[in-house]
Amino acid sequence: GAGVSQSPRYKVTKRGQDVALRCDPISGHVSLYWYRQALGQGPEFLTYFNYEAQQDKSGLPNDRFSAERPEGSISTLTIQRTEQRDSAMYRCASSLASYGTSGSTDTQYFGPGTRLTVL
Amino acid sequence: AQTVTQSQPEMSVQEAETVTLSCTYDTSENNYYLFWYKQPPSRQMILVIRQEAYKQQNATENRFSVNFQKAAKSFSLKISDSQLGDTAMYFCAFRAIGNDMRFGAGTRLTVKP
Repeated sequence: GAGVSQSPRYKVTKRGQDVALRCDPISGHVSLYWYRQALGQGPEFLTYFNYEAQQDKSGLPNDRFSAERPEGSISTLTIQRTEQRDSAMYRCASSLASYGTSGSTDTQYFGPGTRLTVL
Repeated sequence: AQTVTQSQPEMSVQEAETVTLSCTYDTSENNYYLFWYKQPPSRQMILVIRQEAYKQQNATENRFSVNFQKAAKSFSLKISDSQLGDTAMYFCAFRAIGNDMRFGAGTRLTVKP
């Protein structure tokens, strides 16, 4: 497909379990971003990558959250020891150009999201 | 810190009429970008329109246009000839060069037949 894909689309887990959320960006897109969106609110930035390098992880809430993009394409967001407050929609986005460039090539395109429910 | 404020949690408009969604932001940056994203019931995030702060001309995309007032730090979205498919949450977003994107809380727009 031509768009950003995420899997799974829905994830229900028990408190204390680890979860891994996957993002497959648009082919050729250099930058990849992770956001968390609570119901009724706008997306909240978590972290982003240029190629395989994690550029900014200041938005990650705590050390239970981590992300990687080892080959500069697919990325995984991992949440360890999940808690009920982690329940949210987790969104991935990608852009053609790296952060900080001008022009429309840095426009972010979003995936459908993974809805995480922690029981 | 940059903040984005959407002061209208909900709005409605009759089909074929025009509606304007408000957005204000706070920043000390001079170069930045502003966006409107649409989130329909499917919860996809779809880019509606984009504006570069250095451009004086307001961006337009078919029925969607913005009123960008840099001095007032205002970035409103006008939807003309509203269609039922325009029913969605609309998020205003701000990004300074080299920084992460910040979103407003959203405005829920309902287009009534």
